[in-house]
Amino acid sequence: GDSVTQMEGPVTLSEEAFLTINCTYTATGYPSLFWYVQYPGEGLQLLLKATKADDKGSNKGFEATYRKETTSFHLEKGSVQVSDSAVYFCALITGTASKLTFGTGTRLQVTL
Amino acid sequence: DTGVSQNPRHKITKRGQNVTFRCDPISEHNRLYWYRQTLGQGPEFLTYFQNEAQLEKSRLLSDRFSAERPKGSFSTLEIQRTEQGDSAMYLCASSFDGVRELGGYTFGSGTRLTVV
Repeated sequence: GDSVTQMEGPVTLSEEAFLTINCTYTATGYPSLFWYVQYPGEGLQLLLKATKADDKGSNKGFEATYRKETTSFHLEKGSVQVSDSAVYFCALITGTASKLTFGTGTRLQVTL
Repeated sequence: DTGVSQNPRHKITKRGQNVTFRCDPISEHNRLYWYRQTLGQGPEFLTYFQNEAQLEKSRLLSDRFSAERPKGSFSTLEIQRTEQGDSAMYLCASSFDGVRELGGYTFGSGTRLTVV
């Protein structure tokens, strides 16, 4: 079945550091890929998406590129802020499937 | 557009009691989903509706769980004879058809259930 593997957290960075959160997937078919973010006390919010190979999703300074050859969708940001502290989830949908398959999430903590 | 609304935000119940949660989706969205999230894990799919029809249920949804979406608007998730293993965050989400193209779901803030 479909699955998503994320790097374990927590990831602790100083403000303005470079961020990478690794995400790899296994899927039957050709998935669409997503990153969701969950801020403390809030619901999941869509951060960015990519629907085909080599697409780059971007939002709020975050980027991720759909790499079919390595089945990866790593999240990056050049300079993190304290306000980016949250849990980040990688997820996929395949074919006409109606449900998202999530990774276990990676907690990011950014300090001054 | 007030987003996806879930009530209550928190629920503490004794083992063996029944509980019901409510989700009000974004009004234009015809799809509604329920997910369950336990501590340290990603959300897991439970069930989804297209309008009022329940089209898919996960194996996680035992016969103690039932979900409805009368008239294709709000939805309720009921858990009968709760067990401690039911303690989790229950998330509701809604979307248009074609979520692949339209960029994903809109999630509510969730209902946190604690069974004591």
